[in-house]
Amino acid sequence: QKEVEQNSGPLSVPEGAIASLNCTYSDRGSQSFFWYRQYSGKSPELIMFIYSNGDKEDGRFTAQLNKASQYVSLLIRDSQPSDSATYLCAVDSGYSTLTFGKGTMLLVSP
Amino acid sequence: EAQVTQNPRYLITVTGKKLTVTCSQNMNHEYMSWYRQDPGLGLRQIYYSMNVEVTDKGDVPEGYKVSRKEKRNFPLILESPSPNQTSLYFCASSRGTGATYEQYFGPGTRLTVT
Repeated sequence: QKEVEQNSGPLSVPEGAIASLNCTYSDRGSQSFFWYRQYSGKSPELIMFIYSNGDKEDGRFTAQLNKASQYVSLLIRDSQPSDSATYLCAVDSGYSTLTFGKGTMLLVSP
Repeated sequence: EAQVTQNPRYLITVTGKKLTVTCSQNMNHEYMSWYRQDPGLGLRQIYYSMNVEVTDKGDVPEGYKVSRKEKRNFPLILESPSPNQTSLYFCASSRGTGATYEQYFGPGTRLTVT
């Protein structure tokens, strides 16, 4: 059974701070990793994907992957109130399916 | 506009009354998928389709059927809905699976079975 674990939160950070969201996965054969953002009542939207060990940066977002530790994280720099949402980690194990974590709720206070 | 559409957006029905939730995409995507989202359980895959006439079970297929007769459409069928199928349902599509394939989600269908 493939598992993707996330802290449910909420993670509360002040505006301008760095938010750090973490995710672990059980399937060592996992190949690709995705971070989705979901606002309340809306559908998930892709923020970033990563498939190589190390860091990948896109604007204020940085995804970090450590396959040896089966760990993937998302850093949000200069957090804004508009970043308040639930962040979903998803893992593609190469079997044509995505397994999602339950999500971490992020609250950014002005 | 590139999009995934679902209908209906909201549905209240009774136990045992067959229903179909439609999903359509206009991006010529090969891969389509259905998820359900429940509080505390997250997004779970019901069925997916790699292409026309190719479908397979996800993690929670019991009580659901799908078909893929055309590339753009992937309806979800509940032949005898039960209250435990009350959930928020999302359809998604992508060009394929793997590292660079973003899944585009529809707006969701909130289903209540009484």
